[in-house]
Amino acid sequence: AQRVTQPEKLLSVFKGAPVELKCNYSYSGSPELFWYVQYSRQRLQLLLRHISRESIKGFTADLNKGETSFHLKKPFAQEEDSAMYYCALSGRNYGQNFVFGPGTRLSVLP
Amino acid sequence: EAGVTQSPTHLIKTRGQQATLRCSPISGHTSVYWYQQALGLGLQFLLWYDEGEERNRGNFPPRFSGRQFPNYSSELNVNALELEDSALYLCASRQGTSDTYEQYFGPGTRLTVT
Repeated sequence: AQRVTQPEKLLSVFKGAPVELKCNYSYSGSPELFWYVQYSRQRLQLLLRHISRESIKGFTADLNKGETSFHLKKPFAQEEDSAMYYCALSGRNYGQNFVFGPGTRLSVLP
Repeated sequence: EAGVTQSPTHLIKTRGQQATLRCSPISGHTSVYWYQQALGLGLQFLLWYDEGEERNRGNFPPRFSGRQFPNYSSELNVNALELEDSALYLCASRQGTSDTYEQYFGPGTRLTVT
């Protein structure tokens, strides 16, 4: 069965500090991994996905198949990064729907 | 291009009533997903429709049901409403079944059961 875990419900860091939001998954195959973000009073939106290998708003995420992880990182957190972050997995086989992790609330303190 | 739209924005019902929530996907998207976002509980997967058929459902009782119409819009019905059904209900659409495609979310319908 496919599953996504995010061990931290809440993560607080100071502005300018590095931030890492953890995501681990279980899936018997090669999944697609995504990070979604939900800012206050805004709709849930895609932040980045592993196949595009790009940096969005300073965030990067590397898929580590050995550790089955897809941690989200940013070297210098900004106050506007405060939001709810969800890691999500999609299987390559038809019939596999999206699976979201429970989410981590990031709070960047001034 | 218009995004995913949901109606109504807010819905207030009393316990035991039925609620109907609607979702219009992005043009060209054939898959529609429904999620419940209760306070402090993150996203809970409800239902997935693709090409008019229910493909999968989450761990919710049968009083949560829905359908997808030929134009790919979708309806979520919640019967015999209970207080704990109060939540934000999110709809997301996706372009077909390729797993490289991400989901696009609507703004949600806030359901309050009193």
